[in-house]
Amino acid sequence: DVKVTQSSRYLVKRTGEKVFLECVQDMDHENMFWYRQDPGLGLRLIYFSYDVKMKEKGDIPEGYSVSREKKERFSLILESASTNQTSMYLCASTIGQGFGEQYFGPGTRLTVT
Amino acid sequence: RKEVEQDPGPFNVPEGATVAFNCTYSNSASQSFFWYRQDCRKEPKLLMSVYSSGNEDGRFTAQLNRASQYISLLIRDSKLSDSATYLCVVNQGGSYIPTFGRGTSLIVHP
Repeated sequence: DVKVTQSSRYLVKRTGEKVFLECVQDMDHENMFWYRQDPGLGLRLIYFSYDVKMKEKGDIPEGYSVSREKKERFSLILESASTNQTSMYLCASTIGQGFGEQYFGPGTRLTVT
Repeated sequence: RKEVEQDPGPFNVPEGATVAFNCTYSNSASQSFFWYRQDCRKEPKLLMSVYSSGNEDGRFTAQLNRASQYISLLIRDSKLSDSATYLCVVNQGGSYIPTFGRGTSLIVHP
């Protein structure tokens, strides 16, 4: 059974803080993704990675960076959190070329005050 | 224009009803299509893939219409437990990136 875990379910941070969101998958998947989900806007892709140390910008990368030092781990970094980054953050992974099923983590509800 | 569009609903139907959702996509080179289900405060999970020949899984049927560039999901004999948001996902040809629709909300009432 594929498992994607995220470091926190709920997180509260202050404006200006550096925030790390961690995602780990246990199925040796090549591709990993970070999304944010907001009411009325659906899932929007922030960054994705198709291999270790490789990353590509998604639709809304501004204010975010990522790190993938190991195949199983994909981190999302908010360099200086702002209130408009309050959202649900979802990590996902897929095998191979990304045309198959995406497996999602349970999500991190981040609130920036 | 958003690449993948869905009617947000909500579709409010009684138990036992048949309900159908459509999802239109703009890129004619799209190759892979999926329906995901997302329960309230949960992560999305794959419901079914959509093949050119159509796909049926119990009460659920998915169809692809390439000429008109849409996919559909039909749910027969709706159950209370079918209440959820249904997300349409399209992988653009040659791309790693899946594109999600904003989802269609279904509420099945007694």
